[in-house]
Amino acid sequence: DAKTTQPPSMDCAEGRAANLPCNHSTISGNEYVYWYRQIHSQGPQYIIHGLKNNETNEMASLIITEDRKSSTLILPHATLRDTAVYYCIVRVGNTGKLIFGQGTTLQVKP
Amino acid sequence: DAEITQSPRHKITETGRQVTLACHQTWNHNNMFWYRQDLGHGLRLIHYSYGVHDTNKGEVSDGYSVSRSNTEDLPLTLESAASSQTSVYFCASSAQPNTEAFFGQGTRLTVV
Repeated sequence: DAKTTQPPSMDCAEGRAANLPCNHSTISGNEYVYWYRQIHSQGPQYIIHGLKNNETNEMASLIITEDRKSSTLILPHATLRDTAVYYCIVRVGNTGKLIFGQGTTLQVKP
Repeated sequence: DAEITQSPRHKITETGRQVTLACHQTWNHNNMFWYRQDLGHGLRLIHYSYGVHDTNKGEVSDGYSVSRSNTEDLPLTLESAASSQTSVYFCASSAQPNTEAFFGQGTRLTVV
């Protein structure tokens, strides 16, 4: 299973863009990159996913490098409510399993 | 609105007792998953199912079992609860293997 590496923590000023990096150098051709976040002790919340093209939705943008070995989640205008643990996950082939790592704790500061 | 619900939200049980945690989803999703979350370990996959009568072991399945008798429910059973199973348990479901999974709010289980 492809593993992901994320920085353990990051800070961001409120109103600024938050850029969260993720390395997944062993990703296979049919594996998707997913991002989830977990606010306090709630259930993880889906943010976005992609295969090789950049993706954008109402919550965030996902930039995947051409070699697919890394990606960046962008929250364009971070708010205090975006403070959470963000997980970058490579979804295992066609099994649907999400294998979570330790994630990045994003602290948005006023 | 369609949703995924877990019950109970909190439970305290004694060592050696059998405990069942419920997970119910109303999206008619084929895929359902159970995770546990402990400090320092993140979320770890316990069991998962791709449809009725299908069950599979995850990375930390020892001491747990699941059964899938219908599409909506995947109950998780601890056959003989141990203190090491004190954790927060999350259930999730997805329509297809490569579509987003939705998580429940979790069940906090304490084994004393």
